[in-house]
Amino acid sequence: QQQVKQSPQSLIVQKGGISIINCAYENTAFDYFPWYQQFPGKGPALLIAIRPDVSEKKEGRFTISFNKSAKQFSLHIMDSQPGDSATYFCAASNTGRDDKIIFGKGTRLHILP
Amino acid sequence: NAGVTQTPKFRILKIGQSMTLQCTQDMNHNYMYWYRQDPGMGLKLIYYSVGAGITDKGEVPNGYNVSRSTTEDFPLRLELAAPSQTSVYFCASSYPGSGGFFGPGTRLTVL
Repeated sequence: QQQVKQSPQSLIVQKGGISIINCAYENTAFDYFPWYQQFPGKGPALLIAIRPDVSEKKEGRFTISFNKSAKQFSLHIMDSQPGDSATYFCAASNTGRDDKIIFGKGTRLHILP
Repeated sequence: NAGVTQTPKFRILKIGQSMTLQCTQDMNHNYMYWYRQDPGMGLKLIYYSVGAGITDKGEVPNGYNVSRSTTEDFPLRLELAAPSQTSVYFCASSYPGSGGFFGPGTRLTVL
């Protein structure tokens, strides 16, 4: 059973466009929803994260939208740049228990120059 | 702060050999994790630890063992390596709600 489902698998966006990646989760005990960015040959790096008590969080060009009732959350990258080309993972954890981070399968994003 | 360090960076094993992947963190985090990453499959949790002396299985523990004798170190042991264990292995440490700090990974090939 996949606890965190992510789509699309791959995404191509023109420079300056908006990149949108979607995730859904099953376990209502999750209370922390991070997004990671991974470049080839590197480990995942935390990009932005949200708690379920807010519906949106923005950091620079990156925004998380969170819908608790639908158990869905998404990452929006505004004004996408070629340097944003990477693999993005959504994830979820229960910080009150063991903080195990459960990952989605990832989205390979390519920004066309 | 070095953060999370992993050794080796690369390794080739023959079927049936054993090895230990080393992971050390210098952030005094209680929580540590081992993940494997296969192409198109995201990261899957192998084992985790919430403190020295405490370990537990994750999603894919078969063929692996861990120990946690100190806060800093969390080695992953592969016994009787199999081709299915060819993967990139990431160690991470965290405190609750930090999102985790990941090491640079170990690329393992089993032939």
